[in-house]
Amino acid sequence: GAGVSQSPSNKVTEKGKDVELRCDPISGHTALYWYRQSLGQGLEFLIYFQGNSAPDKSGLPSDRFSAERTGGSVSTLTIQRTQQEDSAVYLCASSLVRGLISEQFFGPGTRLTVL
Amino acid sequence: QQQVKQSPQSLIVQKGGISIINCAYENTAFDYFPWYQQFPGKGPALLIAIRPDVSEKKEGRFTISFNKSAKQFSLHIMDSQPGDSATYFCAASNRNRDDKIIFGKGTRLHILP
Repeated sequence: GAGVSQSPSNKVTEKGKDVELRCDPISGHTALYWYRQSLGQGLEFLIYFQGNSAPDKSGLPSDRFSAERTGGSVSTLTIQRTQQEDSAVYLCASSLVRGLISEQFFGPGTRLTVL
Repeated sequence: QQQVKQSPQSLIVQKGGISIINCAYENTAFDYFPWYQQFPGKGPALLIAIRPDVSEKKEGRFTISFNKSAKQFSLHIMDSQPGDSATYFCAASNRNRDDKIIFGKGTRLHILP
């Protein structure tokens, strides 16, 4: 596709519910990243994938957060038992390859509101 | 520990003026320093980036100044225009290691018409 796409663009959920956020990276990009953007907190790294594997999960805030990537393409970020502090914009980025020469392209984000 | 510190949090500049945003970093292993521009409702987009082996990089009206010994870098926007109004993030990464971008907290820039 032309760019990184994310769905849904907005998600409102009740505390305690599970949510799934989807990221479609640029076709052919092997690396995929998830970030969280909270008001006043900038962008926080969550997890990255090289192909379908996630060598670095260090940024996931708790075990309620998980992510997977299938077929080296689409990724899903799942938040179980959502809490109000999970409210934020979740951004996905992809790059052609991980490393020296590769720019990360960001999607528009999913705005999650937990009531 | 905040690895990349950015200031100011918000900035108002007259049209035609110079906008200056400053950042400082802690980790000397960082080897790539990008600046991102974000408009409301959009994801961040790479604006300009620099490596620590140069002290300045200029692209059009945007210039990065880099001071390796002080571990500081800054973005200068010359002849600022209302269309430059956005949130700007400085960032740093170690591209030889994991390419994970560490962002500053952002500066909301508003250019007065």
